[in-house]
Amino acid sequence: DSGVTQTPKHLITATGQRVTLRCSPRSGDLSVYWYQQSLDQGLQFLIQYYNGEERAKGNILERFSAQQFPDLHSELNLSSLELGDSALYFCASSLDTHNEQFFGPGTRLTVL
Amino acid sequence: AQSVTQLGSHVSVSEGALVLLRCNYSSSVPPYLFWYVQYPNQGLQLLLKYTSAATLVKGINGFEAEFKKSETSFHLTKPSAHMRDAAEYFCAVSVPNQAGTALIFGKGTTLSVSS
Repeated sequence: DSGVTQTPKHLITATGQRVTLRCSPRSGDLSVYWYQQSLDQGLQFLIQYYNGEERAKGNILERFSAQQFPDLHSELNLSSLELGDSALYFCASSLDTHNEQFFGPGTRLTVL
Repeated sequence: AQSVTQLGSHVSVSEGALVLLRCNYSSSVPPYLFWYVQYPNQGLQLLLKYTSAATLVKGINGFEAEFKKSETSFHLTKPSAHMRDAAEYFCAVSVPNQAGTALIFGKGTTLSVSS
């Protein structure tokens, strides 16, 4: 158990819909990262937050957005969902921006 | 920009045999390097990391990796494979800077261990 929690574990929805994935970092960690894992793209970095502020952006689509709240939990919002958005979404956290990242168990999103 | 290449998407070994998973990186500045393991239906677990200290890094579960700057490699080894080592292994690189420390992952290597 890494100490990073993600909810829900599974999510099944339809094209065009909007979903919210939630992540609670390890106690004391200030930095949160979101990654997408799919068969064709592999593991890709989406976005990073540090202490409530966006720190870095990767291959995140405009239909996707994220935020980190004052209690340091983070949410990833995916809208206008397409079949290709079906993937495992991982959240990771680290103490600050220079430490190793600990990964949560992931949320498996299926778009039908 | 940084990148990682993992040679061999699938490696098969017998129980007790040497495990060697290959990783080459590309980075214009000194990188941090990591190996993660992913068991089926689970998240990623950190095996070991290199952050510019000793070039031979020891990790959990008997794994180790050696940073070779001249070869831009960070191969993962284990002297004797166990059945429980069967999983997918990812090599990752990051370059810490003020903008952030995103991990750039290789495509992964699936390790199979036969009895």
